[in-house]
Amino acid sequence: GIQVEQSPPDLILQEGANSTLRCNFSDSVNNLQWFHQNPWGQLINLFYIPSGTKQNGRLSATTVATERYSLLYISSSQTTDSGVYFCAVVTTGFQKLVFGTGTRLLVSP
Amino acid sequence: DGGITQSPKYLFRKEGQNVTLSCEQNLNHDAMYWYRQDPGQGLRLIYYSQIVNDFQKGDIAEGYSVSREKKESFPLTVTSAQKNPTAFYLCASIPSGPLGGTQYFGPGTRLTVL
Repeated sequence: GIQVEQSPPDLILQEGANSTLRCNFSDSVNNLQWFHQNPWGQLINLFYIPSGTKQNGRLSATTVATERYSLLYISSSQTTDSGVYFCAVVTTGFQKLVFGTGTRLLVSP
Repeated sequence: DGGITQSPKYLFRKEGQNVTLSCEQNLNHDAMYWYRQDPGQGLRLIYYSQIVNDFQKGDIAEGYSVSREKKESFPLTVTSAQKNPTAFYLCASIPSGPLGGTQYFGPGTRLTVL
């Protein structure tokens, strides 16, 4: 099956710093989503981005489907950005999400 | 408000007992999903249902069962056959259509086997 790899696995930032999270996938996908899991476990949709670039406030994402990767940019990080960031892909054929193992982000004041 | 609700939030089970986790959505989504998350790991698919009265096994279905009698409801039963059921369980739903769209998640149920 499709493999989804995220890097780095862990990231520690000072408040105000910028960061880039990467998601590589091994096969063609119909859909790619980025999620933020907060400390209480709730998964929050950040982006639905099978291709191209989207921005939402301090966050933006770019997916290059032909090269099988996606990037999540966090600018001017805040302590509330802490948590785990997952990318998940939907393979061609049906709506099953395959998750990466996540990037654990800690933003310190 | 539209959304996905899961209950209970925390659940404790003795070994050998079956337990049922509830998942309800009022988003009018056709497809619903159950995922399991172990500490420090990503999510793995247990079961999914694309329409009422139909469901398919995911990657780790052994020891679990589901039903889909209503569009809004997709309960998950963790049976005594599940060898290591302690985990965080998340329910999700997605609009119908060939590409679906954004998948929405409930707040989760933390199951602990004593």
